Amino acid sequence: EVQLVESGGGLVQPGGSLRLSCAASGFTFSSYWMNWVRQAPGKGLEWVANMKPDGSEKYYVDSVKGRFTISRDNAKNSLYLQMNTLRAEDTAVYYCARQNAFDVWGQGTMVTVSS
Amino acid sequence: EIVLTQSPGTLSLSPGERATLSCRASQSVSSNYLTWYQQKPGQAPRLLIYGASSRATGIPDRFSGSGSGTDFTLTISRLEPEDFAVYCCQQHGSPPYTFGQGTKLEIK
Repeated sequence: EVQLVESGGGLVQPGGSLRLSCAASGFTFSSYWMNWVRQAPGKGLEWVANMKPDGSEKYYVDSVKGRFTISRDNAKNSLYLQMNTLRAEDTAVYYCARQNAFDVWGQGTMVTVSS
Repeated sequence: EIVLTQSPGTLSLSPGERATLSCRASQSVSSNYLTWYQQKPGQAPRLLIYGASSRATGIPDRFSGSGSGTDFTLTISRLEPEDFAVYCCQQHGSPPYTFGQGTKLEIK
């Protein structure tokens, strides 16, 4: 079964850091661009970042540039999102998604930034 | 950045009726990279349509997509009870990828 499972969310204070993980299974992870997408409570979807299969290209939405870093370990079939200098407006459910027209999504992990 | 504007914000219809949802882009989007998703409360988005008009695996044929350039449409020919949800369009032609704000399809 093709599956993505996110982990690493939680409650963090403003200015803090968190690292999200996404474990892939059931497909050749190393062949796909992968994405992070977030959804603030009661709001729409926002694309956050993506990464080429070999890691040579990465792109970010402007609001997270310089604070978030996307990475991957193809040997471990895993995608990561290192989030630093977190702000209240980063509070959201974070999804990882396979970029084959975003055909596979994880269940999401909740990140809450609050004091 | 390409801005996607969906209309209407909320659509109230009855089961069996036809639903027509619009997604308008601020600049031309390659049809290859226009997708539609369905999202229900507490769930991840589900891919419905990719490439503007191709149904994803397992999606019933009552769902169809059309359009090109800056105007795209999702049509649900005959609404089933399970179709009442939020629908969102997305362009993923070039970063930053963007989503529309969503259309909520509710039971009348």
